[in-house]
Amino acid sequence: DQQVKQNSPSLSVQEGRISILNCDYTNSMFDYFLWYKKYPAEGPTFLISISSIKDKNEDGRFTVFLNKSAKHLSLHIVPSQPGDSAVYFCAASITGNQFYFGTGTSLTVIP
Amino acid sequence: NAGVTQTPKFRVLKTGQSMTLLCAQDMNHEYMYWYRQDPGMGLRLIHYSVGEGTTAKGEVPDGYNVSRLKKQNFLLGLESAAPSQTSVYFCASSSWRDQPQHFGDGTRLSIL
Repeated sequence: DQQVKQNSPSLSVQEGRISILNCDYTNSMFDYFLWYKKYPAEGPTFLISISSIKDKNEDGRFTVFLNKSAKHLSLHIVPSQPGDSAVYFCAASITGNQFYFGTGTSLTVIP
Repeated sequence: NAGVTQTPKFRVLKTGQSMTLLCAQDMNHEYMYWYRQDPGMGLRLIHYSVGEGTTAKGEVPDGYNVSRLKKQNFLLGLESAAPSQTSVYFCASSSWRDQPQHFGDGTRLSIL
């Protein structure tokens, strides 16, 4: 049973606009969340994280929002750039335990 | 600047054959992991290690064995390959259990 879900397999956005990638989870005990970015033929690379004590974390163009009551997190990329085209995975864990990964969302940023 | 290196990158096996995937990291990380990625599914944890000489089962350990004889290396073995083990395998390492993991570029394994 998938504990972390990314219900949108793909997303297309115009360059310069905002990209919003969504992730839902079922386990209310999860307290640490990460986003990874993956290019073809490469491994995932860490992008940004958030712990459950926060509801927002920013790093440059990337912001992650956490809504614990809805068991939902989202990644915002502003402004989107063609180099952001990749597959994005969210992952969740109970601190100190294994991470559970979503199925990924393929983002295409159109120049 | 190697990070996490996986060998081989591609392999085709016949059902029943055995093979070992090698993962090497040069970051002195304690934790190492093996995942598989299948279409429509997220990365699933096969086995992991919390330090040299230790191994533990993840979500989907059946059909696989692992060894961590040296801190920098984590081996994943398939004793008798099955078509259901056709997948892309990723190795990862981290300095601590809940720290972001560094991934290798993957091994694409096909079992006929």
